[in-house]
Amino acid sequence: AQKVTQAQTEISVVEKEDVTLDCVYETRDTTYYLFWYKQPPSGELVFLIRRNSFDEQNEISGRYSWNFQKSTSSFNFTITASQVVDSAVYFCALSEYSGAGSYQLTFGKGTKLSVIP
Amino acid sequence: DAGITQSPRHKVTETGTPVTLRCHQTENHRYMYWYRQDPGHGLRLIHYSYGVKDTDKGEVSDGYSVSRSKTEDFLLTLESATSSQTSVYFCAIRGGGSQETQYFGPGTRLLVL
Repeated sequence: AQKVTQAQTEISVVEKEDVTLDCVYETRDTTYYLFWYKQPPSGELVFLIRRNSFDEQNEISGRYSWNFQKSTSSFNFTITASQVVDSAVYFCALSEYSGAGSYQLTFGKGTKLSVIP
Repeated sequence: DAGITQSPRHKVTETGTPVTLRCHQTENHRYMYWYRQDPGHGLRLIHYSYGVKDTDKGEVSDGYSVSRSKTEDFLLTLESATSSQTSVYFCAIRGGGSQETQYFGPGTRLLVL
């Protein structure tokens, strides 16, 4: 069974600080996908990034960056120079093939980030 | 915008009554999913569909049934609602092509009294 662990339940930072959200996963598959989603206070789920298991390149998108390390089964997310609008719950998710051409997502329990002005 | 709508967006019902939630998509995606979100649990898969009339169970399927009679609609039914089914329900579609990304609808907040 696959599993995703987000050990940080809640994090508070002061605006402009950098913050890293941790994600550790477990899987027996060699082919899988990892995701981060953002859930702002309004409640919708916003896709941020997808990474497949064969691509360990780190990625940067503006103030966001992701560090994927297969050796430690981690897919961490860093926000640089945090802003109040970054306040949200962030979910890490793991996708594995489940048959019938479908991939199933397993979510971590989420990390609530509060950015204080 | 993945063209997903959910209805109703909010519902209050009583224990023992049947409830049906609707997910509607406009982009002809084959795969659709129903999740529930509860504090401390993240999102958990209830059921999914891989085509018209093709569905399968997820992690927390007990007490729920689904139907998909046409590509654009995926219905989730609580045959006899219980208080433990109070939750926020999200529908998702899987993006087209080789994408494995799931995109989510706005959610339905259900309260079972």
